[in-house]
Amino acid sequence: DAMVIQNPRYQVTQFGKPVTLSCSQTLNHNVMYWYQQKSSQAPKLLFHYYDKDFNNEADTPDNFQSRRPNTSFCFLDIRSPGLGDAAMYLCATSRDLAGAGNGYTFGSGTRLTVV
Amino acid sequence: AQSVTQLGSHVSVSEGALVLLRCNYSSSVPPYLFWYVQYPNQGLQLLLKYTTGATLVKGINGFEAEFKKSETSFHLTKPSAHMSDAAEYFCAVKRGANNLFFGTGTRLTVIP
Repeated sequence: DAMVIQNPRYQVTQFGKPVTLSCSQTLNHNVMYWYQQKSSQAPKLLFHYYDKDFNNEADTPDNFQSRRPNTSFCFLDIRSPGLGDAAMYLCATSRDLAGAGNGYTFGSGTRLTVV
Repeated sequence: AQSVTQLGSHVSVSEGALVLLRCNYSSSVPPYLFWYVQYPNQGLQLLLKYTTGATLVKGINGFEAEFKKSETSFHLTKPSAHMSDAAEYFCAVKRGANNLFFGTGTRLTVIP
């Protein structure tokens, strides 16, 4: 089945130690998104890629970076995680730039704990 | 900018009772509206969406929602709650070309 896969499901990292979260998709969608969802809060868009074009939300901290080496994979890099970065990180895809009008396909998320 | 407000962070219903989860939107253009469900430690799953056309939208798992422009609402309903419906529900609106803005969510509890 075509899907969006996030690895790992649970990640524990140390304060200040760089961490990378992974997302892959078999849908061949052009757009990939990263959302941050803190406990009991709504998901918040960090950035998205349309093909190789990176689009950062204005209020996304510089501590968060992303890479998309090919259509299938997208990575979220947190350069120096703080305790406030503990959250569920959700990857989503959509077919094209009108994708937000059709809804996204989400992965199961990675829950990040910072110790 | 487009936004949504979900009324009630927690809703409890008895099994078999009507489910009503409220969502109001704010938009200066015709909105695209969505309902998503999130089970514990899972990603979000699309329940239904409204873009244009028929204002009563049917989704998966017996849920439906009605777009009411006069009330700026997009409430989610299900005639008879099942235990498996217990989850977090998010209303969302398309914002710009590539962003979905989510409400703060409503946690649904189903009482046996």
